[in-house]
Amino acid sequence: DSGVTQTPKHLITATGQRVTLRCSPRSGDLSVYWYQQSLDQGLQFLIQYYNGEERAKGNILERFSAQQFPDLHSELNLSSLELGDSALYFCASSLTSDGQETQYFGPGTRLLVL
Amino acid sequence: QKEVEQDPGPLSVPEGAIVSLNCTYSNSAFQYFMWYRQYSRKGPELLMYTYSSGNKEDGRFTAQVDKSSKYISLFIRDSQPSDSATYLCAMTNYGQNFVFGPGTRLSVLP
Repeated sequence: DSGVTQTPKHLITATGQRVTLRCSPRSGDLSVYWYQQSLDQGLQFLIQYYNGEERAKGNILERFSAQQFPDLHSELNLSSLELGDSALYFCASSLTSDGQETQYFGPGTRLLVL
Repeated sequence: QKEVEQDPGPLSVPEGAIVSLNCTYSNSAFQYFMWYRQYSRKGPELLMYTYSSGNKEDGRFTAQVDKSSKYISLFIRDSQPSDSATYLCAMTNYGQNFVFGPGTRLSVLP
């Protein structure tokens, strides 16, 4: 158990809908990272927040947004969902923001868009 | 050309064999190099972490980085069936971006 929690574990929805994925980092960690893992694209870095501020941006679509709240939990919002958005979404956390130490991954949210 | 290339496997080896996993990359700005192990349907778990070029050993695992060749390796000694998983290399340039390889699926046969 990494100490990172993600809810829900599974999500089934329809095209065009909007969903929110939630992540609670390990106690004491200030950085939260979001990743998307699909069969054809592998693990793709989406976005990083550090202590409430956006720190780095990867291959995140404009239909996707994220935020980190004062209690350091983070939410990833996915809107206007398409079939291709079906994937595993992972959250990871680390103490600092510079990638110099371990990122601990949560168990993931499996999203299926029908 | 993809930013990080990794042989997807699957790689099957007998128990006790030495396993060599490799990644090549194109961005010379990467400074930190990691290897993650991912069991099916689970989150990746960090195995090894190295900065710049050199070797690092931890138990049965050895990570090597050759920045001049843009090539990193992970060696697993005395491989066990419990090592059967997908191995992902990853790298970052001071946290500005995190790039993962597509992963190599390893099977260690008893």
